Amino acid sequence: DAGITQSPRHKVTETGTPVTLRCHQTENHRYMYWYRQDPGHGLRLIHYSYGVKDTDKGEVSDGYSVSRSKTEDFLLTLESATSSQTSVYFCAISEWAGGGTDTQYFGPGTRLTVL
Amino acid sequence: AQRVTQPEKLLSVFKGAPVELKCNYSYSGSPELFWYVQYSRQRLQLLLRHISRESIKGFTADLNKGETSFHLKKPFAQEEDSAMYYCALGAAGGGNKLTFGTGTQLKVEL
Repeated sequence: DAGITQSPRHKVTETGTPVTLRCHQTENHRYMYWYRQDPGHGLRLIHYSYGVKDTDKGEVSDGYSVSRSKTEDFLLTLESATSSQTSVYFCAISEWAGGGTDTQYFGPGTRLTVL
Repeated sequence: AQRVTQPEKLLSVFKGAPVELKCNYSYSGSPELFWYVQYSRQRLQLLLRHISRESIKGFTADLNKGETSFHLKKPFAQEEDSAMYYCALGAAGGGNKLTFGTGTQLKVEL
């Protein structure tokens, strides 16, 4: 497995509380991504980063924010968690040398339950 | 807009039978297609990509631009092929992002 870890791996929280998920990589890859995985929806991109302090929105970014202050860390924050954000969250990384789309390597996932 | 369609949520086949997982895409530019696989209790990982034109674990996929398809095929299914399979679309010049389909759960029965 590529050097990608996610923390926590499981979390149960209550509606309205803030939650931060962490993705850490040891591969020094430029790109990092946050996805959510839901039955019937597959994987959907929440936010991604193409460098330190460089981030952009994905398909389902409402209710989520991200930060990347170091190459190795990409944080996903739910400012005020809602039950609709109950999901499995995956981090991925990718190097990009220009040209086409590069392979993405995935973390183990974080299972988040919002009660 | 980019879209990937995997029409089957679940595909059940017997061991030794041929397998075809369907994937259709919608994209007006030059597409880059991938298949990712998630085995039970393992991470999502790349299975193959169309530009490499290689066979991985006996699976192949051919990009058909006329039919906008990238179906995944294997002539003889094995029990260890049971997994969730995702088709994904990247766009040349699209910022190194992927659009995933909804996935197909393949179950190989003995």
